[in-house]
Amino acid sequence: RKEVEQDPGPFNVPEGATVAFNCTYSNSASQSFFWYRQDCRKEPKLLMSVYSSGNEDGRFTAQLNRASQYISLLIRDSKLSDSATYLCVWGPKGYNKLIFGAGTRLAVHP
Amino acid sequence: NAGVTQTPKFQVLKTGQSMTLQCAQDMNHEYMSWYRQDPGMGLRLIHYSVGAGITDQGEVPNGYNVSRSTTEDFPLRLLSAAPSQTSVYFCASSYWSSRGRAESYTFGSGTRLTVV
Repeated sequence: RKEVEQDPGPFNVPEGATVAFNCTYSNSASQSFFWYRQDCRKEPKLLMSVYSSGNEDGRFTAQLNRASQYISLLIRDSKLSDSATYLCVWGPKGYNKLIFGAGTRLAVHP
Repeated sequence: NAGVTQTPKFQVLKTGQSMTLQCAQDMNHEYMSWYRQDPGMGLRLIHYSVGAGITDQGEVPNGYNVSRSTTEDFPLRLLSAAPSQTSVYFCASSYWSSRGRAESYTFGSGTRLTVV
């Protein structure tokens, strides 16, 4: 089983839609969680950290469910510029490294 | 600030050739790492370094060497290129978070390597 599993998509949504991605992780000792965004043929960039209490940044909301071992990303009022691949990332406890999921592709159309 | 600079952006190698991918950062980050990205597999960690003179292996280190003689530079050497090393290579650096971990990665723009 992969350490991080994501639905590869693509998720095709119209502008203004709300879309949610889930990501499951297998290691219960995970310490840190993040969402990174990667545009086509570009480098990944940190979108937001995921805290146990959940956190929100504008139209983006991230949630962590430790009991079920998944994290989620909710995007409200989708924009064309949100089209990208969203990478689920976690940091194992005791190790100074990040584990990246393969990504979920989002395509927002007019 | 330039951030993380990777060179070259593109490279074609013949099987058996060696080469060095360069990575430099100007943010005084202690932590640096190399990942490779293949379709459908996500980024996989090759090697990382927590400071000058200190390196360690990641998930897929075979066929690659690294060194960290300065805080700024973290080159990745391919010893004898193989077609299986065809990939996109990303270098990343990070400062230490308040939890004492490297978490906020700044990536370089990548090197697209093809081995024929």
